[in-house]
Parts: sequence; structure tokens; C-alpha cells
Amino acid sequence: AIQMTQSPSSLSASVGDTVTITCRSSQGIRGDLGWYQQRPGKAPKLLIYAASTLQNGVPSRFSGTGSGTDFTLTISSLQPEDFGTYYCLQDYEYPYTFGQGTKVEVK
Amino acid sequence: QVQLQESGPGLVKPSQTLSLTCTVSGGSISSSDYYWSWIRQHPGKGLEWIGYIYYTGTTYYNPSLQSRVSILLDTSNKQFSLKLNSVNAADTAVYFCARVWENGPTFFDSWGQGILVTVSS
Repeated sequence: AIQMTQSPSSLSASVGDTVTITCRSSQGIRGDLGWYQQRPGKAPKLLIYAASTLQNGVPSRFSGTGSGTDFTLTISSLQPEDFGTYYCLQDYEYPYTFGQGTKVEVK
Repeated sequence: QVQLQESGPGLVKPSQTLSLTCTVSGGSISSSDYYWSWIRQHPGKGLEWIGYIYYTGTTYYNPSLQSRVSILLDTSNKQFSLKLNSVNAADTAVYFCARVWENGPTFFDSWGQGILVTVSS
């Protein structure tokens, strides 16, 4: 199975900061990657698919880049409601696999 | 807007079968664009894809669970279900159902709220 490794595992940032989360796959996955936000006690929410396409209704401060093995989720101008854990998910091949998550705290 | 809701017992005894149902409302479960998936999350841990089913009945399972898992579709009741055999404490988790778009890009765009299943005697 393809292994997805996220970094950092957690971070704390202030409102208005730019936050960057990276995800690396153990083999090339083209651009077959999504990003999900999970708030405590809630289901994950789709933010970005196909590495860089913003899901309808998701604020434009979220953006994704990358292809191959290295991917980035950027949150520009961090907002209080952006707290939670962020996961990458590769859908290049079965079994689909998630990164271990990056916990974001908003100061 | 499609909504998904998990249901089933919150407590299962070791060695028994975990059975959950996901009910879909506000959309068609027979669409050719979507698969219907189960994902689980161990307490305080990350997410694990269990598998999914297409409206034709075709299934794909995570090899780590393949010998014990089955996903079934009931289009007349707009439901799909998860059965996990021979459970043990390591199967204690929150189980989510989700809709998966697989027509071009892939993404999990709608999720149920999740249901905690505890395996304990």
C-alpha cells in the first residue's frame, strides 16, 4: 500500500498567518490527492481534490499544489474556524490511504 | 443535497459480526458517478479506508480487512451496509459512510456523522 506522510504532525498559528502542510507519498501518485479537514467529533470535510481543485463552497484561502510524490496544502490568512486536523488522501491506487493527519491550533 | 446516516449497534462482542447500515437521502444511490464507501477511525487516530461498492454491486476492499469484510447495496431502500466478521478490540472505532465521486477525479464529497462501535464483552 502507498504510504502517505504528513508534516508537521501539529502546528499552532495566529489568525491571519499563512499555514503550510505537506504530504509525501511513498511512490508517485500523479495528482491523485485530496485534502480533508476534520473538526473534533465531526466527519471529515472535503477541501481540495485532484491536488489543486477547490471543492465548491470552500473558502479561497485554501489552496493545494503538487504532483508526483510531494503535495502542499496552504491556508492563507488563517481564520479561527480553521482549527482541526487535516488529512491528505491518495486515490491513485487501491487501497486508498490517508496521511496520519496534521493538527492545526489557532492561537 | 445528499445526506448519509449510519446506524447499527454501538457495542459488539469479540468474535461476533459488526453490522452497520448507511441510509442515503436527498440523492440517488443508483448513480453511475458514485461509489459508496466505509471508512473508520480508531479512537484518537487517523482514518482508514475500508472499501466501497458501486451501484452494479462491484466492490473494492482494503486488503488489510478483505478476509473479514463485505459491503452490500440495497437500492430499493437507498442503503448500503458494512459487515465485519470475527471482530476484536482492534476493530473499536468510529465508522463513517461516505459518497465517493469516481467520474474523472476522485473525491469523498459527502459523509455521515459517524458511529462509534466498541468491541467488548
